Amino acid sequence: EVQLVESGGGLVQPGGSLRLSCAASGFTFSTYSMNWVRQAPGKGLEWVSYIDRGSSAIYYADSVKGRFTISRDNAKNSLYLQMNSLRAEDTAVYYCASGIPAAPRVSDYWGQGTLVTVSS
Amino acid sequence: DIQMTQSPSSLSASVGDRVTITCRASQGINNYLAWYQQKPGKVPKVLIYAASTLQSGVPSRFSGNKSGTDFTLTISSLQPEDVATYYCQKYNSAPFTFGPGTTVDIK
Repeated sequence: EVQLVESGGGLVQPGGSLRLSCAASGFTFSTYSMNWVRQAPGKGLEWVSYIDRGSSAIYYADSVKGRFTISRDNAKNSLYLQMNSLRAEDTAVYYCASGIPAAPRVSDYWGQGTLVTVSS
Repeated sequence: DIQMTQSPSSLSASVGDRVTITCRASQGINNYLAWYQQKPGKVPKVLIYAASTLQSGVPSRFSGNKSGTDFTLTISSLQPEDVATYYCQKYNSAPFTFGPGTTVDIK
């Protein structure tokens, strides 16, 4: 059974940093592209970042470019999102999601999400 | 960047009705368009990718189509379990922008 479990969320002050992790199991993680998608409370979905299976293609939303860094460790079946210079508008539930083999940029399996709250 | 719009923003229909949601891209994206369903309190689920390819396990009452830069998601016969917010997403090139969503409920 495919499982994606996010962790690392919490309350952080504006300007602070957090590192989110996503532990994958039940599939061959190293062969799948991954996305981070966030959803602010009561709002719609916002794509945040993408990394292909070999970390050779990495993309970011303009809203996080220069502040967030996506990475993965295929040996540990893990995906990460380093978030720096956090702002109130980064408050959201952050989901990791695996790509569809036929359409790697499309999010197939999703974790349950981890809540990040940026507030003083 | 390419903007994605959806219409309507919400709709209410009866069980058994045919429901159509439209997503429009501000520029051409070929067929790099996916549709997601998010039920209340649940994580999103992909329904369709490549504009019209049904993801495995998705009921056949869902279908997708493309006409130029307009994309449609059609539910051929609305069921109570289809109450959800539906999002389109373009993925031809970054950023992989989502549309603002269309909320569907039962009349």
